[in-house]
Amino acid sequence: GAGVSQSPRYKVAKRGQDVALRCDPISGHVSLFWYQQALGQGPEFLTYFQNEAQLDKSGLPSDRFFAERPEGSVSTLKIQRTQQEDSAVYLCASTRPPQGSPEAFFGQGTRLTVV
Amino acid sequence: AQSVTQLDSHVSVSEGTPVLLRCNYSSSYSPSLFWYVQHPNKGLQLLLKYTSAATLVKGINGFEAEFKKSETSFHLTKPSAHMSDAAEYFCVVSVRSGANNLFFGTGTRLTVIP
Repeated sequence: GAGVSQSPRYKVAKRGQDVALRCDPISGHVSLFWYQQALGQGPEFLTYFQNEAQLDKSGLPSDRFFAERPEGSVSTLKIQRTQQEDSAVYLCASTRPPQGSPEAFFGQGTRLTVV
Repeated sequence: AQSVTQLDSHVSVSEGTPVLLRCNYSSSYSPSLFWYVQHPNKGLQLLLKYTSAATLVKGINGFEAEFKKSETSFHLTKPSAHMSDAAEYFCVVSVRSGANNLFFGTGTRLTVIP
């Protein structure tokens, strides 16, 4: 596709439910990032992939959060046993580095509401 | 280490007056610098970027920014604010070394008064 695509756009989950958020990066983009953006805040880094390798997961807030990118393209962020504090917009971004242009392209985000 | 400081959390200007959103960075490497805009309930849109070419960078919607290495600054400006400019603005630094190579400022909310 022309841009980064995230699905679903909106997700309402009951507390304790597991959710899976999908990110389709721009074709050929090597690097992929996940961010969490709470209401009125800036994006907070969660995790980073270079191709299929998860090189940095230091931002994942707990072991309930898990991300994968098994074939180096589509990525899934999974949250197990969701809690109310998980309510946020989850943003995905992709970039081409190390050789390509360094700007990040962002998806529209998935707004997760845990009730 | 890399970091970005946006000096103002909130800026308010009258329509038709100049806009200045301040950003200072710290980087151990030669950085690329970006400004992104986020309108309510929208994703992040790239306004402009600096990647070691011309230090004065022009972006979309009449915005521009100047990279000043001596001041470690990358302030965003626009000569005349428009109502549609009201949004959240993020300054971002990117370095080619390291795993997590995108670092966000905390954001500046721009309000435009009619």
